[in-house]
Amino acid sequence: DGGITQSPKYLFRKEGQNVTLSCEQNLNHDAMYWYRQDPGQGLRLIYYSQIVNDFQKGDIAEGYSVSREKKESFPLTVTSAQKNPTAFYLCASRPTGDSPLHFGNGTRLTVT
Amino acid sequence: SQQGEEDPQALSIQEGENATMNCSYKTSINNLQWYRQNSGRGLVHLILIRSNEREKHSGRLRVTLDTSKKSSSLLITASRAADTASYFCATDGLDNNDMRFGAGTRLTVKP
Repeated sequence: DGGITQSPKYLFRKEGQNVTLSCEQNLNHDAMYWYRQDPGQGLRLIYYSQIVNDFQKGDIAEGYSVSREKKESFPLTVTSAQKNPTAFYLCASRPTGDSPLHFGNGTRLTVT
Repeated sequence: SQQGEEDPQALSIQEGENATMNCSYKTSINNLQWYRQNSGRGLVHLILIRSNEREKHSGRLRVTLDTSKKSSSLLITASRAADTASYFCATDGLDNNDMRFGAGTRLTVKP
């Protein structure tokens, strides 16, 4: 079955540590996205990538970094510079623009 | 910044009633999409309406789009308890590169 896999489902880290969230898709989609969701809130765009080796900042990129070395993978690193990293992180992909997004089931990150 | 704003923030209805959610956005778009999210899960795509369309149907869902008012509505008819979820609108900008979401409407359907 094709889909998007985010791992792990729950992640706990100490303040000051960098942490990398995994996102893998086997849908052969070109575009991939990272969103952050806080309790009771909508999704805010962190980074997106239209093709391999290229990505753009979204609305809240500060304190985050990404890479797109392979078409199927778009890992997100939450750095120690991110002031409030505790949140629910969602990865999504789609074949091209003007098509629906396919979402993973998210990673809930807790930083203490 | 979030592109869309949903209204109301929360809606509680009885099973069998219709539910209407509204979305307003700020910039020109290529299409507008509605998604559903069950608690703690990823989002699931419901319906896409393009900027040159005014209305679209899919099963019990009806979506309208008014580009002059920069607004859309989602109507769920004959609601069921299983429709309980959060519903989000998302807009695809003219360059089709990014998608931005509103804050969502939390729908509760009581059996």
